[in-house]
Amino acid sequence: DQQVKQNSPSLSVQEGRISILNCDYTNSMFDYFLWYKKYPAEGPTFLISISSIKDKNEDGRFTVFLNKSAKHLSLHIVPSQPGDSAVYFCAANSTGNQFYFGTGTSLTVIP
Amino acid sequence: DARVTQTPRHKVTEMGQEVTMRCQPILGHNTVFWYRQTMMQGLELLAYFRNRAPLDDSGMPKDRFSAEMPDATLATLKIQPSEPRDSAVYFCASGLVPIGGWTSYNEQFFGPGTRLTVL
Repeated sequence: DQQVKQNSPSLSVQEGRISILNCDYTNSMFDYFLWYKKYPAEGPTFLISISSIKDKNEDGRFTVFLNKSAKHLSLHIVPSQPGDSAVYFCAANSTGNQFYFGTGTSLTVIP
Repeated sequence: DARVTQTPRHKVTEMGQEVTMRCQPILGHNTVFWYRQTMMQGLELLAYFRNRAPLDDSGMPKDRFSAEMPDATLATLKIQPSEPRDSAVYFCASGLVPIGGWTSYNEQFFGPGTRLTVL
Protein backbone atom coordinates (compact mmCIF):
# COMPACT_ATOMS: atom_id res chain seq x y z
CA ASP A 1 0.00 0.00 0.00
CA GLN A 2 1.52 3.26 -1.15
CA GLN A 3 1.72 5.65 1.81
CA VAL A 4 3.24 8.42 -0.28
CA LYS A 5 1.75 9.17 -3.67
CA GLN A 6 2.80 11.31 -6.56
CA ASN A 7 -0.10 11.17 -8.95
CA SER A 8 1.53 13.03 -11.83
CA PRO A 9 4.14 10.86 -13.55
CA SER A 10 5.33 13.77 -15.67
CA LEU A 11 5.22 17.53 -15.97
CA SER A 12 6.40 19.93 -18.68
CA VAL A 13 7.04 23.61 -18.00
CA GLN A 14 8.48 26.48 -19.99
CA GLU A 15 11.78 27.89 -18.83
CA GLY A 16 11.25 30.81 -16.47
CA ARG A 17 7.80 29.68 -15.37
CA ILE A 18 6.83 28.03 -12.10
CA SER A 19 6.96 24.26 -11.69
CA ILE A 20 4.64 22.77 -9.08
CA LEU A 21 5.11 19.15 -8.08
CA ASN A 22 2.58 17.54 -5.80
CA CYS A 23 2.67 14.78 -3.24
CA ASP A 24 0.01 13.22 -1.01
CA TYR A 25 0.45 10.98 1.98
CA THR A 26 -1.84 8.83 4.07
CA ASN A 27 -0.01 8.35 7.38
CA SER A 28 -0.75 11.13 9.86
CA MET A 29 2.25 10.03 11.94
CA PHE A 30 4.69 11.31 9.35
CA ASP A 31 6.53 14.29 10.77
CA TYR A 32 9.26 14.96 8.29
CA PHE A 33 9.10 15.32 4.54
CA LEU A 34 11.80 15.51 1.90
CA TRP A 35 12.19 16.04 -1.81
CA TYR A 36 14.90 14.28 -3.77
CA LYS A 37 16.02 15.02 -7.30
CA LYS A 38 17.30 12.33 -9.62
CA TYR A 39 19.14 12.65 -12.91
CA PRO A 40 19.41 9.68 -15.31
CA ALA A 41 22.03 7.10 -14.35
CA GLU A 42 22.57 8.74 -10.97
CA GLY A 43 21.22 8.19 -7.50
CA PRO A 44 18.70 10.58 -5.95
CA THR A 45 20.14 13.61 -4.20
CA PHE A 46 18.55 15.51 -1.36
CA LEU A 47 16.91 18.77 -2.41
CA ILE A 48 14.83 20.26 0.39
CA SER A 49 12.92 19.16 3.47
CA ILE A 50 10.25 20.34 5.85
CA SER A 51 9.28 19.41 9.38
CA SER A 52 5.63 18.92 10.27
CA ILE A 53 5.79 21.87 12.65
CA LYS A 54 6.19 24.18 9.67
CA ASP A 55 4.03 24.85 6.65
CA LYS A 56 6.68 26.34 4.39
CA ASN A 57 10.40 26.02 3.82
CA GLU A 58 12.29 28.01 1.23
CA ASP A 59 15.75 27.49 -0.24
CA GLY A 60 16.60 29.72 -3.15
CA ARG A 61 14.37 28.86 -6.08
CA PHE A 62 12.84 25.91 -4.24
CA THR A 63 9.97 26.13 -1.78
CA VAL A 64 8.14 23.27 -0.14
CA PHE A 65 4.65 23.78 1.23
CA LEU A 66 3.00 21.43 3.70
CA ASN A 67 -0.74 21.21 4.31
CA LYS A 68 -1.14 18.77 7.18
CA SER A 69 -4.92 18.84 7.24
CA ALA A 70 -5.00 17.78 3.60
CA LYS A 71 -1.97 15.49 3.96
CA HIS A 72 -0.47 17.21 0.98
CA LEU A 73 2.83 18.80 0.15
CA SER A 74 4.10 20.53 -2.91
CA LEU A 75 7.41 21.66 -4.32
CA HIS A 76 7.56 24.96 -6.16
CA ILE A 77 10.45 25.82 -8.42
CA VAL A 78 10.62 29.45 -9.49
CA PRO A 79 11.91 30.27 -12.00
CA SER A 80 12.30 26.87 -13.66
CA GLN A 81 15.53 26.22 -15.52
CA PRO A 82 16.45 23.53 -18.06
CA GLY A 83 18.88 22.06 -15.53
CA ASP A 84 15.93 21.34 -13.26
CA SER A 85 14.78 18.65 -15.69
CA ALA A 86 14.92 15.47 -13.61
CA VAL A 87 12.76 13.03 -11.69
CA TYR A 88 11.61 14.36 -8.33
CA PHE A 89 10.77 12.01 -5.47
CA CYS A 90 8.77 12.96 -2.44
CA ALA A 91 9.57 11.08 0.79
CA ALA A 92 8.13 10.99 4.29
CA ASN A 93 9.33 9.74 7.63
CA SER A 94 8.10 9.43 11.18
CA THR A 95 10.94 9.98 13.64
CA GLY A 96 13.05 6.91 14.07
CA ASN A 97 11.41 4.92 11.33
CA GLN A 98 11.97 4.19 7.69
CA PHE A 99 11.45 6.56 4.80
CA TYR A 100 8.58 6.10 2.38
CA PHE A 101 9.07 7.36 -1.15
CA GLY A 102 6.60 8.21 -3.87
CA THR A 103 6.80 6.97 -7.45
CA GLY A 104 8.39 10.15 -8.75
CA THR A 105 7.43 12.95 -11.15
CA SER A 106 9.52 13.53 -14.24
CA LEU A 107 9.93 17.26 -14.81
CA THR A 108 10.92 18.62 -18.20
CA VAL A 109 11.76 22.30 -18.45
CA ILE A 110 11.52 23.46 -22.04
CA PRO A 111 14.03 26.13 -23.08
CA ASP B 1 34.68 13.87 -2.10
CA ALA B 2 32.86 11.23 -0.04
CA ARG B 3 30.24 9.28 -1.90
CA VAL B 4 28.47 5.94 -1.87
CA THR B 5 29.79 3.51 -4.47
CA GLN B 6 27.97 0.55 -5.96
CA THR B 7 29.14 -2.31 -8.12
CA PRO B 8 28.35 -3.46 -10.70
CA ARG B 9 26.62 -0.53 -12.38
CA HIS B 10 24.89 -2.84 -14.84
CA LYS B 11 24.13 -6.53 -14.65
CA VAL B 12 22.41 -8.73 -17.21
CA THR B 13 21.77 -12.28 -16.18
CA GLU B 14 19.53 -15.19 -16.94
CA MET B 15 16.66 -16.35 -14.82
CA GLY B 16 17.78 -18.69 -12.06
CA GLN B 17 21.25 -17.23 -11.71
CA GLU B 18 22.63 -15.73 -8.52
CA VAL B 19 23.17 -11.99 -8.45
CA THR B 20 25.29 -10.13 -5.90
CA MET B 21 25.28 -6.35 -5.66
CA ARG B 22 27.81 -4.50 -3.54
CA CYS B 23 27.81 -1.15 -1.83
CA GLN B 24 30.49 0.84 -0.07
CA PRO B 25 28.85 3.39 2.25
CA ILE B 26 30.39 6.72 3.09
CA LEU B 27 33.08 6.27 5.71
CA GLY B 28 31.72 7.00 9.16
CA HIS B 29 28.06 6.52 8.27
CA ASN B 30 26.30 4.10 10.57
CA THR B 31 23.13 3.36 8.60
CA VAL B 32 22.86 1.65 5.23
CA PHE B 33 19.71 1.25 3.14
CA TRP B 34 18.87 -0.88 0.11
CA TYR B 35 16.14 0.40 -2.21
CA ARG B 36 14.65 -0.89 -5.43
CA GLN B 37 13.27 1.50 -8.04
CA THR B 38 10.45 0.33 -10.25
CA MET B 39 8.03 2.29 -12.40
CA MET B 40 5.01 1.11 -10.44
CA GLN B 41 6.29 1.38 -6.88
CA GLY B 42 8.88 4.12 -7.10
CA LEU B 43 11.61 3.67 -4.50
CA GLU B 44 10.85 0.69 -2.28
CA LEU B 45 12.87 0.08 0.85
CA LEU B 46 14.15 -3.48 0.89
CA ALA B 47 16.29 -3.48 4.03
CA TYR B 48 18.37 -1.29 6.27
CA PHE B 49 21.19 -1.71 8.73
CA ARG B 50 22.35 0.30 11.72
CA ASN B 51 25.92 -0.26 12.87
CA ARG B 52 25.96 -3.35 10.62
CA ALA B 53 22.97 -4.95 12.35
CA PRO B 54 19.83 -5.51 10.27
CA LEU B 55 17.00 -3.32 11.56
CA ASP B 56 14.30 -4.00 9.03
CA ASP B 57 14.20 -6.28 6.03
CA SER B 58 10.44 -6.60 5.77
CA GLY B 59 10.51 -5.17 2.26
CA MET B 60 12.54 -8.06 0.89
CA PRO B 61 11.17 -11.29 -0.54
CA LYS B 62 12.80 -13.54 2.03
CA ASP B 63 12.87 -16.66 -0.05
CA ARG B 64 15.26 -15.26 -2.61
CA PHE B 65 16.77 -12.03 -1.29
CA SER B 66 19.38 -11.61 1.40
CA ALA B 67 21.26 -8.56 2.66
CA GLU B 68 24.38 -8.50 4.79
CA MET B 69 27.08 -6.16 6.05
CA PRO B 70 30.25 -8.24 6.45
CA ASP B 71 32.06 -5.13 7.66
CA ALA B 72 31.51 -1.40 7.99
CA THR B 73 32.79 -0.72 4.49
CA LEU B 74 30.74 -3.27 2.58
CA ALA B 75 27.05 -4.05 2.22
CA THR B 76 25.78 -6.78 -0.09
CA LEU B 77 22.41 -7.62 -1.58
CA LYS B 78 22.05 -11.06 -3.04
CA ILE B 79 19.28 -12.57 -5.15
CA GLN B 80 19.21 -16.34 -5.53
CA PRO B 81 17.60 -17.46 -7.78
CA SER B 82 16.90 -14.35 -9.82
CA GLU B 83 13.64 -13.90 -11.74
CA PRO B 84 12.62 -11.53 -14.55
CA ARG B 85 10.41 -9.57 -12.13
CA ASP B 86 13.55 -8.63 -10.18
CA SER B 87 14.64 -6.44 -13.07
CA ALA B 88 14.97 -2.93 -11.63
CA VAL B 89 17.52 -0.39 -10.45
CA TYR B 90 18.84 -1.17 -6.98
CA PHE B 91 20.13 1.73 -4.89
CA CYS B 92 22.20 1.71 -1.79
CA ALA B 93 22.15 4.74 0.50
CA SER B 94 23.99 5.59 3.69
CA GLY B 95 23.43 8.08 6.45
CA LEU B 96 24.63 9.08 9.89
CA VAL B 97 22.04 8.68 12.61
CA PRO B 98 22.87 10.07 16.07
CA ILE B 99 22.84 7.81 19.11
CA GLY B 100 19.49 9.19 20.16
CA GLY B 101 17.88 8.29 16.88
CA TRP B 102 16.70 10.24 13.87
CA THR B 103 16.73 13.98 14.18
CA SER B 104 14.99 16.54 12.07
CA TYR B 105 17.68 16.29 9.45
CA ASN B 106 17.71 12.79 8.10
CA GLU B 107 19.66 12.96 4.91
CA GLN B 108 20.49 9.80 3.06
CA PHE B 109 23.22 9.77 0.46
CA PHE B 110 22.47 7.53 -2.48
CA GLY B 111 24.85 5.57 -4.66
CA PRO B 112 24.50 5.58 -8.47
CA GLY B 113 22.55 2.32 -8.50
CA THR B 114 22.90 -1.10 -10.11
CA ARG B 115 20.65 -1.66 -13.11
CA LEU B 116 19.69 -5.33 -13.07
CA THR B 117 18.13 -7.10 -16.04
CA VAL B 118 17.04 -10.69 -15.61
CA LEU B 119 16.22 -12.40 -18.89
